[in-house]
Amino acid sequence: SYVLTQPPSVSVAPGQTASITCGGNNIGSKSVHWYHQKAGQAPVLVVYEDSDRPSGIPERFSGSKSGNTATLTITRVEAGDEADYYCQVWDSSNDHVIFGGGTKLTVI
Amino acid sequence: QLQLQESGPGLVKPSETLSLSCTVSGGSISSFSHYWGWIRQPPGKGLEWIASIYFGGTTYYSPSLKSRVTISVDTSKSQFSLKLSSVTAADTAVYYCARQYSSGSRFDPWGQGTLVTVSS
Repeated sequence: SYVLTQPPSVSVAPGQTASITCGGNNIGSKSVHWYHQKAGQAPVLVVYEDSDRPSGIPERFSGSKSGNTATLTITRVEAGDEADYYCQVWDSSNDHVIFGGGTKLTVI
Repeated sequence: QLQLQESGPGLVKPSETLSLSCTVSGGSISSFSHYWGWIRQPPGKGLEWIASIYFGGTTYYSPSLKSRVTISVDTSKSQFSLKLSSVTAADTAVYYCARQYSSGSRFDPWGQGTLVTVSS
């Protein structure tokens, strides 16, 4: 079955740029969605269809894809961005939703 | 503003059936543009998709849970439901319901989640 691979953790200093990757075979042909989940809260959509932002999500959050990797980039990182981040796609070959394993973003 | 609220028992005995409902408010569960899904998260672990349903009855199930899961929708109550049979401790998790933008697309918004513990 289709697998999305994320690094378990990413650390970044306040004000710097964080990049969280999501690798998957032929991910370029799929729409990638990103969520953040703060401690004790439900996930929140931050980027959809690779690079679009829902209303209310700051422009500091952006998404991109290259080759077999999708990337969520957070510029000017703030302490409040500390959360777990998940990527998600639809595996059309099997009609399944796939989540990546999640990346814990730590603001140091 | 669309809101979703999960409800159901917080404690289920091993081998029994877990039953949860999700009530949709602030919007129509009979939307032609949306599916409705269940996702769970075991304590300290990542997100796992369980199933999705369209108000017309089309369903999609996770292959790892398909044999034990039933998802259904009741448009008269603006609810969709999840049943998971033969539960074990491995089914202990926070269960979320969420709106899905068409089959296979993004989930937004999510309910607050409900913790279900499987224990005797």
